[in-house]
Amino acid sequence: NAGVTQTPKFQVLKTGQSMTLQCAQDMNHEYMSWYRQDPGMGLRLIHYSVGAGITDQGEVPNGYNVSRSTTEDFPLRLLSAAPSQTSVYFCASSRQGAVYEQFFGPGTRLTVL
Amino acid sequence: DAKTTQPPSMDCAEGRAANLPCNHSTISGNEYVYWYRQIHSQGPQYIIHGLKNNETNEMASLIITEDRKSSTLILPHATLRDTAVYYCIVRGVYGNNRLAFGKGNQVVVIP
Repeated sequence: NAGVTQTPKFQVLKTGQSMTLQCAQDMNHEYMSWYRQDPGMGLRLIHYSVGAGITDQGEVPNGYNVSRSTTEDFPLRLLSAAPSQTSVYFCASSRQGAVYEQFFGPGTRLTVL
Repeated sequence: DAKTTQPPSMDCAEGRAANLPCNHSTISGNEYVYWYRQIHSQGPQYIIHGLKNNETNEMASLIITEDRKSSTLILPHATLRDTAVYYCIVRGVYGNNRLAFGKGNQVVVIP
């Protein structure tokens, strides 16, 4: 199993550009989530999904969209990038019966100029 | 959800047991204690969790006090690769599917 994969590993955007961060898992996990990590802030939940077709907001959802059309994929879209979205983004997945035992991807380092 | 308190940092000697404390004095009866760690530049890694009994797996042991107000994660033989930020998180069975990461405990294993 590849586990949780994220692409790209690094990305530089200009203010106002849009892009999609990809996340995929091959463990047939129902639960998937996106976090961002800023220096000194710990990880903060952006959006999460408990299954295909179901998404919900976390604590910092503004400026981000998600969809879950398949069990395997959970892309995160930045609609109009802002410097405040410069961060490291982590995707995670888990079984519905063990939602707090999450497997994390390696992260995407995003810089918005 | 119960709040947790961890020291901001600690050192431990390579080859010795590392005892990482966590205080969760407001924990309620149906809340579990979870431990994660994050090695520099990597995603967090689940370590172990428990309700009230002590737990052990291939990575660590978790000791929860009888009153459940605190716990200790034990890394039995710390190695340099155990240098990481360790997070203690309390979550209920009927929680809101969210893992709340605080600032954690920066553990440095010293040769």
